[in-house]
Amino acid sequence: QSALTQPASVSGSPGQSITISCTGTSSDVGGYNYVSWYQQYPGKAPKVMIYDVSNRPSGVSNRFSGSKSGNTASLTISGLQAEDEADYFCSSYTSTSTRVFGGGTKLTVL
Amino acid sequence: QVLLQESGPGLVKPSETLSLTCTVSGVSITSYYWSWIRQSPGNELEWIGYIFYSGTINYNPSLKSRVTILLDTSKNQLSLRLNSVTAADTAVYYCAREYRRWFDPWGQGIQVTVSS
Repeated sequence: QSALTQPASVSGSPGQSITISCTGTSSDVGGYNYVSWYQQYPGKAPKVMIYDVSNRPSGVSNRFSGSKSGNTASLTISGLQAEDEADYFCSSYTSTSTRVFGGGTKLTVL
Repeated sequence: QVLLQESGPGLVKPSETLSLTCTVSGVSITSYYWSWIRQSPGNELEWIGYIFYSGTINYNPSLKSRVTILLDTSKNQLSLRLNSVTAADTAVYYCAREYRRWFDPWGQGIQVTVSS
């Protein structure tokens, strides 16, 4: 199975909105509404920010939102804040019941 | 509160077997799926496999020939064995609960280096 494709880096200024894409195939992202997004700070474990494409766990800011179109899922962060600077990873369920991650995107808040 | 803690050797010699344990507290391991995930020095996450107490197991096809995941319900632990390791297996290894189709929570991770 191939890793999902994410941009290596994105950046934005405080208050702006950014979107991170996650592209897979019809056997993973496109075939199921089981895409999740994780935020990771250096030296820390990942933390789920979005599950099932667009749902936010309790305690996650409503500035984080998710969507999907075809084989591409997206994470949008609005009202960018300095604390959002981190790495972001997407993950998807696959047609063989395995799981696959994206390569990760480094978000820089300018 | 569900907590996971990985433990095991931080250094493994090439061609030997990597063995890690994940101790779970706050919930019975019979209630959920549990996964092992690793993060390479290049920062990429790779799903290794999952296990459910019923015996359901699934492994990443790229690692399937070398990996074994087990549950010890008496200790509320899961374990990972990866044999014939090479430098490419150097990574931070995480255990995580799979809550429906997402991972939450994760353990803090354990660095494993493959080197002679």
